[in-house]
Amino acid sequence: EDQVTQSPEALRLQEGESSSLNCSYTVSGLRGLFWYRQDPGKGPEFLFTLYSAGEEKEKERLKATLTKKESFLHITAPKPEDSATYLCAVQARAGNMLTFGGGTRLMVKP
Amino acid sequence: DGGITQSPKYLFRKEGQNVTLSCEQNLNHDAMYWYRQDPGQGLRLIYYSQIVNDFQKGDIAEGYSVSREKKESFPLTVTSAQKNPTAFYLCASSTPFRANTEAFFGQGTRLTVV
Repeated sequence: EDQVTQSPEALRLQEGESSSLNCSYTVSGLRGLFWYRQDPGKGPEFLFTLYSAGEEKEKERLKATLTKKESFLHITAPKPEDSATYLCAVQARAGNMLTFGGGTRLMVKP
Repeated sequence: DGGITQSPKYLFRKEGQNVTLSCEQNLNHDAMYWYRQDPGQGLRLIYYSQIVNDFQKGDIAEGYSVSREKKESFPLTVTSAQKNPTAFYLCASSTPFRANTEAFFGQGTRLTVV
């Protein structure tokens, strides 16, 4: 059974204080790992897809990395508008469904 | 603009009532999904469909039903058999048979039992 665990559950940062969010996974043959951002009361917004260990993707202040067991979402010099819940999901080669972690709620104080 | 439209945004259900949540997409995606999200939690898969007239149960299908008569539409019915239906419901679509398989989501329907 595919499993995804995200940590921490909640993270409070000061504006400009860089940090990382963790996504640990077990999957029977990884097809892709996905990061989403979700604002309160809204649907998740797609950020990145990572397909193989060693791969990295960047978008503005966000950088996602992937190993064989986990993925990190690094946030450099965050701003208050980066406050949101960040969701990680995996897709196995055998199927097309996404298995989600519980999310990390990020709060950035000005 | 291409996207996924869910309606209504808010829905109230009385005890014993069936209600139907709408999901329409104009992205020409083959696959569509329904997820449930409870407060402070991740998404759990209810049903998914990879082609028209075919769908499969997800992890928490009990008390729910779906249909896929058109590629663009995947409505979800929450039946009276679902004992705890209050939640945020999210519809998604993707192109699972192509290289980029990320799913795109609608804006959700918040269902409350009154």
